[in-house]
Amino acid sequence: EAGVTQSPTHLIKTRGQQATLRCSPISGHTSVYWYQQALGLGLQFLLWYDEGEERNRGNFPPRFSGRQFPNYSSELNVNALELEDSALYLCASSLPGQGYGYTFGSGTRLTVV
Amino acid sequence: GNSVTQMEGPVTLSEEAFLTINCTYTATGYPSLFWYVQYPGEGLQLLLKATKADDKGSNKGFEATYRKETTSFHLEKGSVQVSDSAVYFCALRPTSGTYKYIFGTGTRLKVLA
Repeated sequence: EAGVTQSPTHLIKTRGQQATLRCSPISGHTSVYWYQQALGLGLQFLLWYDEGEERNRGNFPPRFSGRQFPNYSSELNVNALELEDSALYLCASSLPGQGYGYTFGSGTRLTVV
Repeated sequence: GNSVTQMEGPVTLSEEAFLTINCTYTATGYPSLFWYVQYPGEGLQLLLKATKADDKGSNKGFEATYRKETTSFHLEKGSVQVSDSAVYFCALRPTSGTYKYIFGTGTRLKVLA
């Protein structure tokens, strides 16, 4: 069974540009979660998608947005990049409902210069 | 609200030493509890989980018991190896609402040969 796949592995952007990160969940998983892991910090919740809808959003500005496609894959967009957006962005998928563990992808390392 | 508190790191141990990483939580109801491990340069991997009080999760020699009375889920291993060097995250998943995970800040473990 394929795991959660994220692309690209690494991304280097210039301040002010836009970044698009992609995530393919495990087959059968309908929920996708995005987290930001900045250097030296823990995991900060960004977004949760389920069945194509945004279900919850973390404390991030509107320039962080995303969507979930009919095949449950997901995209995270970050507009007007700032230096402090440099981080590891992790995607996780799960079956719906409480008690099911997340399966994480390996992440996309975004560097803003 | 829901929260997870982990012991501060880094934790440095000699090979074959006993490991305990403390984790306590605050939550309503009966959340599911998880330990994740992050090796250098990688995403998070599920290490073990427990979904109800007194459950013991175990994997790769690691164990943690869901203690409702002390709201704790401490991670233990009897004999650590150099390969266990990583960052360990405790997390809870609420019983209702968003189902998004609440992560602790992570504890870095360094095992010396």
